[in-house]
Amino acid sequence: AQSVTQLGSHVSVSEGALVLLRCNYSSSVPPYLFWYVQYPNQGLQLLLKYTSAATLVKGINGFEAEFKKSETSFHLTKPSAHMSDAAEYFCAVSDTGGNNRLAFGKGNQVVVIP
Amino acid sequence: DGGITQSPKYLFRKEGQNVTLSCEQNLNHDAMYWYRQDPGQGLRLIYYSQIVNDFQKGDIAEGYSVSREKKESFPLTVTSAQKNPTAFYLCASSGYGSGGNQPQHFGDGTRLSIL
Repeated sequence: AQSVTQLGSHVSVSEGALVLLRCNYSSSVPPYLFWYVQYPNQGLQLLLKYTSAATLVKGINGFEAEFKKSETSFHLTKPSAHMSDAAEYFCAVSDTGGNNRLAFGKGNQVVVIP
Repeated sequence: DGGITQSPKYLFRKEGQNVTLSCEQNLNHDAMYWYRQDPGQGLRLIYYSQIVNDFQKGDIAEGYSVSREKKESFPLTVTSAQKNPTAFYLCASSGYGSGGNQPQHFGDGTRLSIL
């Protein structure tokens, strides 16, 4: 079964600094990968997705992620953190069984320090 | 606007009581999902359905039940057999794509607590 690892449950970043959230996946075949953001007491919102086109994927709110097959990684970055980026971020990998299931990582809670 | 509506936003359950969480979507999506979210544990799949009148257990189905009588609706019942039901419950839907390339769209969740 596919799985995702996100290290560091809490990530602190200064306003204006680089945001880097790491995601490593395990999959026996080329996967589809997703990053989601969750604000308090809300559902998840899609930030971006990798579906085997370009390896550098641009998403909403200035975020982007790069798919690296050799490293089985799909890290999320944003050049300059804003206070509004404070939220929880989840990486997810699709199941290859054709059932559209997703396996989610445990999430990163991002705190932005003024 | 198309989207997923979950109700109620907050729900309280007494001991020995079954409660039902509502999930409705107007995105014309074939697949629907229920997740449970606990702090620090990410999202865990309870049940999912790919077509009407068919559903499958996820990773933590014990103590829960679902039905899929209409494409738009996928209610979740938390039964008295679920001994630790306090959590945030999220419903999602997706189009049926090739090999799982369709993103899931989420509702705003229902927070269930025990009285």
